Order: sequence, then C-alpha cells, then structure tokens
Amino acid sequence: AQKVTQAQTEISVVEKEDVTLDCVYETRDTTYYLFWYKQPPSGELVFLIRRNSFDEQNEISGRYSWNFQKSTSSFNFTITASQVVDSAVYFCALSAPNSGYSTLTFGKGTMLLVSP
Amino acid sequence: KAGVTQTPRYLIKTRGQQVTLSCSPISGHRSVSWYQQTPGQGLQFLFEYFSETQRNKGNFPGRFSGRQFSNSRSEMNVSTLELGDSALYLCASSLDKLNTGELFFGEGSRLTVL
Repeated sequence: AQKVTQAQTEISVVEKEDVTLDCVYETRDTTYYLFWYKQPPSGELVFLIRRNSFDEQNEISGRYSWNFQKSTSSFNFTITASQVVDSAVYFCALSAPNSGYSTLTFGKGTMLLVSP
Repeated sequence: KAGVTQTPRYLIKTRGQQVTLSCSPISGHRSVSWYQQTPGQGLQFLFEYFSETQRNKGNFPGRFSGRQFSNSRSEMNVSTLELGDSALYLCASSLDKLNTGELFFGEGSRLTVL
C-alpha cells in the first residue's frame, strides 16, 4: 500500500519568511512519481511540480524549490520569501504502477498562512 | 485553453436522495478521475475513466458510480445519500499520453447532505 504523510497540519509565517513543507512517502514500487499541488480557497488543485523516482536532482522554480531524497523517502517543498498570495493548502501526492499512474495518493495537506 | 469544468458548483440534498455531478475535461484529455475531499479523510480517489471504460476504482461503496461519454465528459452518481457523503467532489483530467499521473483539477462540486 502507498502512503503519504504531511506531518505539519498548519504553518503560520510572516511575509518574507522562508518556509519548508515536509512530505514523507511510502511505496513498494521502484518507479513512481511525486507531486505537489496547491489548493487556494477556490478549491481547485493547482499542479506545482512532478518528480519521477529516478530523478533526485533538486529543482528551483522562482521562489519555490523542492528537495527529493530517496534515502529518507522525503520530498520537501520550500517557499523562499513567502508572500500573502502563498496562503493555501499544499498537498504532496504519489502515483505508482500498482495503483494506476492516474491514481494519486494524497497526504492530508499542510495549510500555510502567510500574514503581512 | 478552457480548464476542467464541473457542474453544479454547489448543491444541497437530503438523506436518501441521489445526486449526479458532471465534469467536462480539458479538450483532448481522455482520462477523467474523481476524488472526494472531506476534512476528516482528506482527498480520496473514487474512480478513473479512460475511453468510456473504468480503469481504476477506489474503496467506496457501490452507491458511488460513474461513467464517461464518448466526448470524454464524465458524470458521477451517488445514490441513497448519507450525511457522510457531504464533501467537495473534485474531477481531474489528464492527457494520459505517458500515463504519469499529471492531473488538472476542476474547482469541484460541493455537496451538502442534510
């Protein structure tokens, strides 16, 4: 069975602070994909990044960066110089062959509150 | 390019009734998935359709069903509604070209069961 754990339920920061959202996953598959999605109050899940299990390079996209470490089964997400518009719920997710690649297993989400 | 469209956005039903939710995927996307989101259980996979065939099904009772039409539009139905069915139902579509699970979500249909 697959599992995604986001231990942080809610994080509050002040604008311009850096914040890291943690994600730990479990799967028996050797090939899998990891994702981060953002859910603003409107409800729509917005895709942020996809990573396959064979690519452990860290990635940076503007103020966002991701740290993938297979050794610790973690895929953490860092927002640098946070802004109020970053306030949302962030979900980490996993897809793998044994459950169908189009089936995502989500973590419970981390609510990020960025205050001015 | 239009995104995933779900209708209705909000609806209120009473226990025992049934409900049908609709999803129009992004043009060209052939895979449609449905997820239920509740505060307690989080996001849970319901089912996935591709070319009018159900490819995967989550762990939900038979009261939850779905279908996909030839134009890739999808509907899901919940019969004999229970209070616990109150949730945000999210539809997602994908190109399924590489079958890598990159999904594009709609804004959801928020169902309240009284």
